[in-house]
Amino acid sequence: SYELTQPPSVSVSPGQTASITCSGDKLGDKYASWYQQKPGQSPVVVIYQDTKRPSGIPERFSGSNSGNTATLTISGTQAMDEADYYCQTWDSSTAVFGGGTKLTVL
Amino acid sequence: EVQLVESGGGLVQPGGSLRLSCAASGFSFSTYAMHWVRQAPGRGLEYVSGINIYGASTYYANSVKGRFTISRDNSKNTLYLQMGSLRPEDMAVYYCATYNWNDRYFEYWGQGTLVTVSS
Repeated sequence: SYELTQPPSVSVSPGQTASITCSGDKLGDKYASWYQQKPGQSPVVVIYQDTKRPSGIPERFSGSNSGNTATLTISGTQAMDEADYYCQTWDSSTAVFGGGTKLTVL
Repeated sequence: EVQLVESGGGLVQPGGSLRLSCAASGFSFSTYAMHWVRQAPGRGLEYVSGINIYGASTYYANSVKGRFTISRDNSKNTLYLQMGSLRPEDMAVYYCATYNWNDRYFEYWGQGTLVTVSS
């Protein structure tokens, strides 16, 4: 079965750039989405179709996807960005989520 | 305002059954594919099942195939998940979610309902 691999945790200082990677076999040939989940809340999409931001998502969130790796980049990270982030794609008509990355802003 | 409200969660013994419901409002339910995603306590998101707008096509994660059945009633704006032969590893918060087919992402999520499998 298809797997997506994320680092368990990433730390960043406020105002700096955070990068979260998501690796999967030929992931660049598929669309990747990224979801943010804060404690006790449901997930919210922050990036879809590799690079697009839904309305209401700050411009500091951006994405890329090439080769075997998709990357979520948060520029000028703020304390409110501290959350779990999950990448997601599709394989054989079923969704696949990465294991999640806990972003700590300290 | 889009609302997805899950219900039906609770405590069930291993081997037991449970039916989850997801009541939708604030959007045209019959025009959206719908999905279930679960999250075990302290763990990540796991895809469970999906269904197309007509209910004719259904999809399942290998971990639940043959034990869970997804269905929908467009006249009632409700999504269902019939769960059987439940195992301790099925214990999780179960979310229903809409899928934006044009933009290819899970657009709206419910608040989730907790399923506890324990004797």
